[in-house]
Amino acid sequence: SAVISQKPSRDICQRGTSLTIQCQVDSQVTMMFWYRQQPGQSLTLIATANQGSEATYESGFVIDKFPISRPNLTFSTLTVSNMSPEDSSIYLCSVDDTSTDTQYFGPGTRLTVL
Amino acid sequence: KQEVTQIPAALSVPEGENLVLNCSFTDSAIYNLQWFRQDPGKGLTSLLLIQSSQREQTSGRLNASLDKSSGRSTLYIAASQPGDSATYLCAVQTGANNLFFGTGTRLTVIP
Repeated sequence: SAVISQKPSRDICQRGTSLTIQCQVDSQVTMMFWYRQQPGQSLTLIATANQGSEATYESGFVIDKFPISRPNLTFSTLTVSNMSPEDSSIYLCSVDDTSTDTQYFGPGTRLTVL
Repeated sequence: KQEVTQIPAALSVPEGENLVLNCSFTDSAIYNLQWFRQDPGKGLTSLLLIQSSQREQTSGRLNASLDKSSGRSTLYIAASQPGDSATYLCAVQTGANNLFFGTGTRLTVIP
């Protein structure tokens, strides 16, 4: 199994600012995933982050809005840029244990944009 | 596009009762199906994973079944306890990175 931590756990931000969320895994993993869970909605995949290459974004998400870094095999950041109230969500990172196909999730970052 | 639906959206039961949560998906071409529980501030915890070739998986008081041809899965919880109160999510994997989630069932077990 993998243990994942995220920082910050929650934040309240002003419209137009940016927030960077950190994700740390206790083991080396090839791919890390960033999800968004809007209030009352299911989780939606934002992008997949591979170490040493550009992140792959899902339909409806763009790099300018959600830049991602993946400097090594245990760490990734997601930035939510130029925030608006519609960005208020829980943001979660996850990793895939390829030996069992099980996905492990971090505790999430609860973002509120005023 | 794969769509995952969970019914009911919320459920309250008295402690000790057995219960069933339902999950349906529109595209039967899946690799696996996973059930998670989500607790506030604690992210998601994987409960059971069923590969597409399997019919069910069991872990303790939990049993998950999969009928891929009809696009359905159930999560059976036996002898429910207040600690089972959480939101339960099912998710189907259709590709290497494609995990589609339902909106969840919020379960409350009343002592």
